[in-house]
Amino acid sequence: QQQVKQSPQSLIVQKGGISIINCAYENTAFDYFPWYQQFPGKGPALLIAIRPDVSEKKEGRFTISFNKSAKQFSLHIMDSQPGDSATYFCAASTGAGANSKLTFGKGITLSVRP
Amino acid sequence: EPEVTQTPSHQVTQMGQEVILRCVPISNHLYFYWYRQILGQKVEFLVSFYNNEISEKSEIFDDQFSVERPDGSNFTLKIRSTKLEDSAMYFCASKGRGSDTQYFGPGTRLTVL
Repeated sequence: QQQVKQSPQSLIVQKGGISIINCAYENTAFDYFPWYQQFPGKGPALLIAIRPDVSEKKEGRFTISFNKSAKQFSLHIMDSQPGDSATYFCAASTGAGANSKLTFGKGITLSVRP
Repeated sequence: EPEVTQTPSHQVTQMGQEVILRCVPISNHLYFYWYRQILGQKVEFLVSFYNNEISEKSEIFDDQFSVERPDGSNFTLKIRSTKLEDSAMYFCASKGRGSDTQYFGPGTRLTVL
Protein backbone atom coordinates (compact mmCIF):
# COMPACT_ATOMS: atom_id res chain seq x y z
CA GLN A 1 0.00 0.00 0.00
CA GLN A 2 1.17 3.50 -0.77
CA GLN A 3 -0.92 5.43 1.73
CA VAL A 4 0.40 7.87 4.24
CA LYS A 5 -2.06 8.86 6.95
CA GLN A 6 -1.89 11.98 9.09
CA SER A 7 -3.53 12.87 12.36
CA PRO A 8 -5.09 14.97 13.72
CA GLN A 9 -6.89 16.72 10.86
CA SER A 10 -6.51 20.11 12.47
CA LEU A 11 -4.71 21.50 15.48
CA ILE A 12 -5.01 24.63 17.54
CA VAL A 13 -2.17 25.45 19.91
CA GLN A 14 -1.43 28.40 22.14
CA LYS A 15 1.69 30.44 21.49
CA GLY A 16 4.62 28.82 23.25
CA GLY A 17 3.01 25.39 23.31
CA ILE A 18 4.09 22.18 21.64
CA SER A 19 2.46 21.12 18.37
CA ILE A 20 2.52 17.41 17.62
CA ILE A 21 1.49 15.96 14.28
CA ASN A 22 1.52 12.25 13.62
CA CYS A 23 1.92 10.23 10.47
CA ALA A 24 1.60 6.52 9.73
CA TYR A 25 2.67 4.66 6.63
CA GLU A 26 2.11 1.18 5.24
CA ASN A 27 4.77 0.62 2.62
CA THR A 28 7.90 -0.76 4.31
CA ALA A 29 9.91 0.16 1.21
CA PHE A 30 9.63 3.85 2.12
CA ASP A 31 13.01 5.09 3.30
CA TYR A 32 12.75 8.86 3.26
CA PHE A 33 10.25 10.81 5.32
CA PRO A 34 10.00 14.58 4.88
CA TRP A 35 7.66 17.10 6.43
CA TYR A 36 6.54 19.95 4.22
CA GLN A 37 5.09 23.29 5.33
CA GLN A 38 2.68 25.13 3.09
CA PHE A 39 1.36 28.66 3.47
CA PRO A 40 -1.77 29.76 1.59
CA GLY A 41 -1.07 30.40 -2.06
CA LYS A 42 2.42 28.95 -1.87
CA GLY A 43 4.02 25.66 -2.79
CA PRO A 44 5.06 23.11 -0.17
CA ALA A 45 8.46 23.85 1.35
CA LEU A 46 10.64 21.23 2.99
CA LEU A 47 10.75 21.71 6.74
CA ILE A 48 12.69 18.72 7.99
CA ALA A 49 13.25 15.13 6.86
CA ILE A 50 14.49 11.85 8.28
CA ARG A 51 15.76 8.50 7.08
CA PRO A 52 14.87 5.36 9.05
CA ASP A 53 18.42 4.73 10.27
CA VAL A 54 17.88 7.29 13.05
CA SER A 55 15.03 7.59 15.54
CA GLU A 56 15.08 11.34 15.97
CA LYS A 57 16.26 14.44 14.16
CA LYS A 58 16.14 17.96 15.50
CA GLU A 59 16.52 21.24 13.64
CA GLY A 60 15.88 24.28 15.77
CA ARG A 61 12.34 24.12 17.15
CA PHE A 62 11.39 21.23 14.86
CA THR A 63 11.94 17.57 15.71
CA ILE A 64 11.03 14.41 13.85
CA SER A 65 10.58 11.25 15.87
CA PHE A 66 10.64 8.00 13.90
CA ASN A 67 9.38 4.59 15.01
CA LYS A 68 10.26 2.03 12.35
CA SER A 69 8.58 -0.94 14.02
CA ALA A 70 5.31 0.95 14.37
CA LYS A 71 5.67 2.52 10.93
CA GLN A 72 5.00 5.92 12.40
CA PHE A 73 6.74 9.27 12.51
CA SER A 74 5.80 12.54 14.06
CA LEU A 75 6.64 16.23 13.90
CA HIS A 76 7.08 18.19 17.10
CA ILE A 77 7.13 21.98 17.00
CA MET A 78 8.46 23.40 20.24
CA ASP A 79 7.61 26.93 21.41
CA SER A 80 4.98 27.23 18.67
CA GLN A 81 4.61 30.71 17.20
CA PRO A 82 1.78 32.38 15.26
CA GLY A 83 4.09 32.36 12.23
CA ASP A 84 4.00 28.56 12.34
CA SER A 85 0.32 28.66 11.40
CA ALA A 86 0.25 26.77 8.12
CA THR A 87 -0.65 23.43 6.59
CA TYR A 88 1.78 20.61 7.33
CA PHE A 89 2.13 17.57 5.12
CA CYS A 90 4.03 14.43 5.94
CA ALA A 91 5.30 12.49 2.96
CA ALA A 92 7.29 9.41 2.13
CA SER A 93 9.31 8.09 -0.77
CA THR A 94 11.53 5.19 -1.71
CA GLY A 95 15.09 6.44 -1.96
CA ALA A 96 16.96 8.94 -4.05
CA GLY A 97 16.86 8.85 -7.79
CA ALA A 98 14.42 9.55 -10.54
CA ASN A 99 11.60 7.38 -9.28
CA SER A 100 11.47 8.91 -5.83
CA LYS A 101 7.96 10.29 -6.11
CA LEU A 102 6.57 11.69 -2.90
CA THR A 103 3.42 10.20 -1.42
CA PHE A 104 1.75 12.84 0.71
CA GLY A 105 -0.57 12.67 3.67
CA LYS A 106 -3.77 14.73 3.58
CA GLY A 107 -2.24 17.58 5.50
CA ILE A 108 -3.11 19.22 8.76
CA THR A 109 -3.92 22.84 9.38
CA LEU A 110 -2.09 24.21 12.40
CA SER A 111 -3.32 27.40 14.03
CA VAL A 112 -1.16 28.96 16.73
CA ARG A 113 -3.14 31.39 18.84
CA PRO A 114 -1.31 34.49 20.17
CA GLU B 1 18.83 30.98 -3.00
CA PRO B 2 17.82 29.15 -6.18
CA GLU B 3 14.14 28.43 -6.55
CA VAL B 4 11.68 26.74 -8.85
CA THR B 5 9.51 29.21 -10.76
CA GLN B 6 6.19 28.59 -12.46
CA THR B 7 4.08 30.55 -14.92
CA PRO B 8 1.36 31.59 -15.08
CA SER B 9 0.30 31.88 -11.45
CA HIS B 10 -3.34 31.53 -12.47
CA GLN B 11 -4.80 30.13 -15.69
CA VAL B 12 -8.48 30.23 -16.53
CA THR B 13 -9.64 28.16 -19.49
CA GLN B 14 -12.75 26.76 -21.04
CA MET B 15 -13.47 23.05 -20.90
CA GLY B 16 -11.97 21.28 -23.90
CA GLN B 17 -9.20 23.81 -24.41
CA GLU B 18 -5.50 23.01 -24.30
CA VAL B 19 -3.32 24.53 -21.60
CA ILE B 20 0.42 24.55 -21.10
CA LEU B 21 1.82 25.10 -17.65
CA ARG B 22 5.44 26.18 -17.48
CA CYS B 23 8.14 25.59 -14.93
CA VAL B 24 11.78 26.58 -14.65
CA PRO B 25 13.46 24.08 -12.33
CA ILE B 26 16.55 24.87 -10.30
CA SER B 27 19.52 24.86 -12.64
CA ASN B 28 21.72 21.74 -12.43
CA HIS B 29 18.82 19.70 -11.08
CA LEU B 30 18.23 16.52 -13.02
CA TYR B 31 14.90 15.17 -11.82
CA PHE B 32 11.62 16.93 -12.47
CA TYR B 33 8.12 16.32 -11.22
CA TRP B 34 4.58 17.54 -11.57
CA TYR B 35 2.10 17.25 -8.72
CA ARG B 36 -1.40 18.57 -8.36
CA GLN B 37 -3.51 19.60 -5.39
CA ILE B 38 -7.26 19.82 -5.70
CA LEU B 39 -8.62 22.46 -3.34
CA GLY B 40 -8.61 21.21 0.22
CA GLN B 41 -7.04 17.88 -0.66
CA LYS B 42 -3.60 16.37 -0.50
CA VAL B 43 -0.81 16.85 -2.98
CA GLU B 44 -0.86 14.06 -5.59
CA PHE B 45 1.98 12.86 -7.80
CA LEU B 46 1.41 13.13 -11.55
CA VAL B 47 4.67 12.37 -13.31
CA SER B 48 8.43 12.26 -12.93
CA PHE B 49 10.90 13.07 -15.70
CA TYR B 50 14.59 12.33 -16.07
CA ASN B 51 17.03 12.27 -18.95
CA ASN B 52 14.39 13.59 -21.33
CA GLU B 53 11.88 10.89 -20.68
CA ILE B 54 9.11 10.00 -18.29
CA SER B 55 10.33 7.88 -15.39
CA GLU B 56 7.00 7.21 -13.74
CA LYS B 57 3.43 8.40 -14.07
CA SER B 58 0.34 8.04 -11.96
CA GLU B 59 -3.13 6.88 -12.94
CA ILE B 60 -4.14 10.54 -13.15
CA PHE B 61 -1.60 11.16 -15.92
CA ASP B 62 -3.64 9.80 -18.82
CA ASP B 63 -3.34 10.44 -22.54
CA GLN B 64 -4.60 14.00 -22.11
CA PHE B 65 -1.41 14.91 -20.28
CA SER B 66 2.09 15.28 -21.64
CA VAL B 67 5.37 16.72 -20.41
CA GLU B 68 8.29 18.19 -22.23
CA ARG B 69 11.62 19.80 -21.56
CA PRO B 70 11.88 21.78 -24.76
CA ASP B 71 15.03 23.82 -24.26
CA GLY B 72 17.08 22.56 -21.35
CA SER B 73 15.66 25.03 -18.86
CA ASN B 74 11.87 24.91 -19.10
CA PHE B 75 9.73 21.98 -18.09
CA THR B 76 6.15 22.02 -19.30
CA LEU B 77 2.93 20.19 -18.56
CA LYS B 78 0.35 20.15 -21.32
CA ILE B 79 -3.27 19.19 -20.90
CA ARG B 80 -4.75 18.66 -24.35
CA SER B 81 -8.46 18.89 -23.65
CA THR B 82 -9.19 20.21 -20.19
CA LYS B 83 -12.02 18.89 -18.06
CA LEU B 84 -13.77 20.51 -15.12
CA GLU B 85 -12.07 18.06 -12.79
CA ASP B 86 -8.64 19.25 -13.93
CA SER B 87 -9.18 22.40 -11.88
CA ALA B 88 -6.44 22.33 -9.25
CA MET B 89 -3.12 23.78 -8.20
CA TYR B 90 -0.31 22.28 -10.25
CA PHE B 91 3.12 22.20 -8.66
CA CYS B 92 6.40 21.61 -10.38
CA ALA B 93 9.30 20.23 -8.37
CA SER B 94 12.94 19.49 -9.07
CA LYS B 95 15.68 17.52 -7.38
CA GLY B 96 19.42 17.36 -7.70
CA ARG B 97 21.59 14.31 -8.27
CA GLY B 98 22.06 12.25 -5.11
CA SER B 99 19.63 14.39 -3.14
CA ASP B 100 16.40 13.36 -1.48
CA THR B 101 14.93 16.85 -1.39
CA GLN B 102 12.36 17.94 -3.91
CA TYR B 103 12.00 21.69 -4.22
CA PHE B 104 8.55 22.90 -5.15
CA GLY B 105 7.52 25.91 -7.16
CA PRO B 106 4.75 28.27 -6.07
CA GLY B 107 2.21 26.52 -8.28
CA THR B 108 -0.18 27.40 -11.07
CA ARG B 109 -3.84 27.57 -10.21
CA LEU B 110 -5.80 26.11 -13.12
CA THR B 111 -9.48 26.91 -13.30
CA VAL B 112 -11.51 25.09 -15.94
CA LEU B 113 -14.92 26.62 -16.66
